[in-house]
Amino acid sequence: DSGVTQTPKHLITATGQRVTLRCSPRSGDLSVYWYQQSLDQGLQFLIQYYNGEERAKGNILERFSAQQFPDLHSELNLSSLELGDSALYFCASSVVSAGRYTDTQYFGPGTRLTVL
Amino acid sequence: AQKVTQAQTEISVVEKEDVTLDCVYETRDTTYYLFWYKQPPSGELVFLIRRNSFDEQNEISGRYSWNFQKSTSSFNFTITASQVVDSAVYFCALSGNTPLVFGKGTRLSVIA
Repeated sequence: DSGVTQTPKHLITATGQRVTLRCSPRSGDLSVYWYQQSLDQGLQFLIQYYNGEERAKGNILERFSAQQFPDLHSELNLSSLELGDSALYFCASSVVSAGRYTDTQYFGPGTRLTVL
Repeated sequence: AQKVTQAQTEISVVEKEDVTLDCVYETRDTTYYLFWYKQPPSGELVFLIRRNSFDEQNEISGRYSWNFQKSTSSFNFTITASQVVDSAVYFCALSGNTPLVFGKGTRLSVIA
């Protein structure tokens, strides 16, 4: 158990819908990262938040957004869903990120999103 | 740009055999970190090891060992006396001034 929690574990929805994925980092970790794992693209970094502020963006679509709340939990919002958004979405957390990405990231169990 | 290549897509071994998973990386950063993660069939990503670019000592942890060679930009992972529970997808990853970049993974199947 990494200490990172994600809910829900599974999510099935229809095209065009909007969903919210939730992540609670390990106690003491200030950075939260979101990743998408799909068969064709592999594991891809989406976005990072550090202590409530957006720190880095990766291959995140404009239809996707995220935020980190004062209690440090984070939510990833996916809207106007398409079939191709079906994937495993991971959240990870690490202690700090002072402009570099050298800390170990601990991953949650993931949310499997299926868009029908 | 950072890149991680895991050329072996799938490997199948018989239990108790030794197996080495290859990882080759590219980076322009002078300081960087390399990682290995395991993804068992249950789906979670489990951290195995972190190694910084200044530490080329090999590491051994039980049946697991890692060989870091800066000269060939490789960070290979060996499992000695493999067991069925080692069956998983193994990812090599790289970070430095940019967020983690993962390789495509190597699927290891250990057959009893």
